[in-house]
Amino acid sequence: RKEVEQDPGPFNVPEGATVAFNCTYSNSASQSFFWYRQDCRKEPKLLMSVYSSGNEDGRFTAQLNRASQYISLLIRDSKLSDSATYLCVVNRPSNTGKLIFGQGTTLQVKP
Amino acid sequence: DVKVTQSSRYLVKRTGEKVFLECVQDMDHENMFWYRQDPGLGLRLIYFSYDVKMKEKGDIPEGYSVSREKKERFSLILESASTSQTSMYLCASSSRTSGGFEQYFGPGTRLTVT
Repeated sequence: RKEVEQDPGPFNVPEGATVAFNCTYSNSASQSFFWYRQDCRKEPKLLMSVYSSGNEDGRFTAQLNRASQYISLLIRDSKLSDSATYLCVVNRPSNTGKLIFGQGTTLQVKP
Repeated sequence: DVKVTQSSRYLVKRTGEKVFLECVQDMDHENMFWYRQDPGLGLRLIYFSYDVKMKEKGDIPEGYSVSREKKERFSLILESASTSQTSMYLCASSSRTSGGFEQYFGPGTRLTVT
């Protein structure tokens, strides 16, 4: 079983749609969770951290379910500029600052 | 503005050559990382350094070595390049004092070994 699993997609959605990505992680001792965004041929960049209570940043909402070891990202009112690969990221429990990256879910927003 | 730079965007080398990939960060970060990214496999950690002259193997260290003589610079060395090392190589850094979890990436080096 992979340490962080994501549906690779691609997700093809029209502008204005709401889209949700899911991710599961295998190590229940992980404490920190993130979503990174990677544009085509670019480096990954932090999109948002994921907190236990859930958190929102504009059109983006992240949720964490520790019991199910499940993380989600919801994007409302999709824009063309949201087209990218979204990486689910979890810290390694040894707390050395090392992260485990999922393979990513590709989103294509169409006009 | 946070900056991680890598010595080359594209590199073509021959099998058996020794290859040096350089990474420099200007944020005074303690942690530095080398990853490779391949389709279907995602980002995989090759080596990690948490301080000058300190290094730790990641998940796929075979065929690679690293050097960190200065805090801002982390080098990845392919001792004898092979075609299986054709990949995108990404360097990253993070601050241990601020939790160490947000990693800042360089633009990547696409290495082709022929």
